[in-house]
Amino acid sequence: GAVVSQHPSRVICKSGTSVKIECRSLDFQATTMFWYRQFPKQSLMLMATSNEGSKATYEQGVEKDKFLINHASLTLSTLTVTSAHPEDSSFYICSARSLNEKLFFGSGTQLSVL
Amino acid sequence: GQNIDQPTEMTATEGAIVQINCTYQTSGFNGLFWYQQHAGEAPTFLSYNVLDGLEEKGRFSSFLSRSKGYSYLLLKELQMKDSASYLCAVAGGSQGNLIFGKGTKLSVKP
Repeated sequence: GAVVSQHPSRVICKSGTSVKIECRSLDFQATTMFWYRQFPKQSLMLMATSNEGSKATYEQGVEKDKFLINHASLTLSTLTVTSAHPEDSSFYICSARSLNEKLFFGSGTQLSVL
Repeated sequence: GQNIDQPTEMTATEGAIVQINCTYQTSGFNGLFWYQQHAGEAPTFLSYNVLDGLEEKGRFSSFLSRSKGYSYLLLKELQMKDSASYLCAVAGGSQGNLIFGKGTKLSVKP
């Protein structure tokens, strides 16, 4: 079956530093990738939609200058959390949509900002 | 607006049957998904309904009524490993994204 690789699975960083999360579709082309955030005991919330070769579309309340998204190829999207703060600590998950409209999730990244 | 409701928590006994309900109000609808999620892990796909009716897949079944904005996930012959959160999600976003409910935490007890 289709696989989406998300890396790293867990990261701990100091406040003020930047963290990059990669989402890669291993055996299919993903024209669209979605980035979700999930705080403890809460739902998955869409942060942004990333289309290959164009600027990401951010949901209301998500700062585009803080959460930089790059979708440079049909198999790779990256999310960079810039100047991370403790309140950015969360579980980040990507999902990739294949050409036949199916969605596949990455394994998630647990970010802890000290 | 977008709204998906499901119970916060449920408890059931090993070997029993449990039904998790989900009601939704979304601006668009391209199908309803059920996912299982263990703490700290990504959601795992369980089922997809786009037409009314019951879809059965082993111990798991999912039902959809589009006119009522209602779905349920039915788990039979519960096992301890079924203890997890179950997320109802509607494909209704403007970008083709999923809109998730808050999840139902199911605890299966011996």
